[in-house]
Amino acid sequence: GDSVTQMEGPVTLSEEAFLTINCTYTATGYPSLFWYVQYPGEGLQLLLKATKADDKGSNKGFEATYRKETTSFHLEKGSVQVSDSAVYFCALTGGFSGTYKYIFGTGTRLKVLA
Amino acid sequence: AAGVIQSPRHLIKEKRETATLKCYPIPRHDTVYWYQQGPGQDPQFLISFYEKMQSDKGSIPDRFSAQQFSDYHSELNMSSLELGDSALYFCASSARTDSSPLHFGNGTRLTVT
Repeated sequence: GDSVTQMEGPVTLSEEAFLTINCTYTATGYPSLFWYVQYPGEGLQLLLKATKADDKGSNKGFEATYRKETTSFHLEKGSVQVSDSAVYFCALTGGFSGTYKYIFGTGTRLKVLA
Repeated sequence: AAGVIQSPRHLIKEKRETATLKCYPIPRHDTVYWYQQGPGQDPQFLISFYEKMQSDKGSIPDRFSAQQFSDYHSELNMSSLELGDSALYFCASSARTDSSPLHFGNGTRLTVT
């Protein structure tokens, strides 16, 4: 079945460091891909999305490119801030199989130190 | 923009009691999903509804039931509560297309004592 694999956390970085959180997927058809962020005590918020190969999603300085050849959707940010500390989830959905399931990765906790 | 509304925000119940959680999706969203997130854990999919019919079922205990009403709001009913049911319960909604993202509410924190 469809699945999403994320790098394990926690990831600890100093402020202004470069961030990469790896995400790879397995899916039939042509899924749409998402990154969500969850701050403590809050719901998941959509960070960015990409709906087809080579699309780049971007928001708040974060970027991710839909790479079909490597089945990847890595999250990057050039300079992280303390306020970026949160848990990040990679997810996919695809209607090719006739379902509308959303498959989430296990989440990667990011901690940014001042 | 309108978001997914969940109520109550916090709920404290005793063991063996019942609880009802409510979810109001974003207007024109026809699909609702329920997730359970235990302390320090990832959200686990419970159940989803499309056009008031159950569309998918995850790890929802038999003690729980849910439905979606004609106005598209949804309720999660939980009976014979156990200590292990203490968690954050999220509702999410989407428009039923291949590329529509899920939009999450802020959750209901259920504490069972």
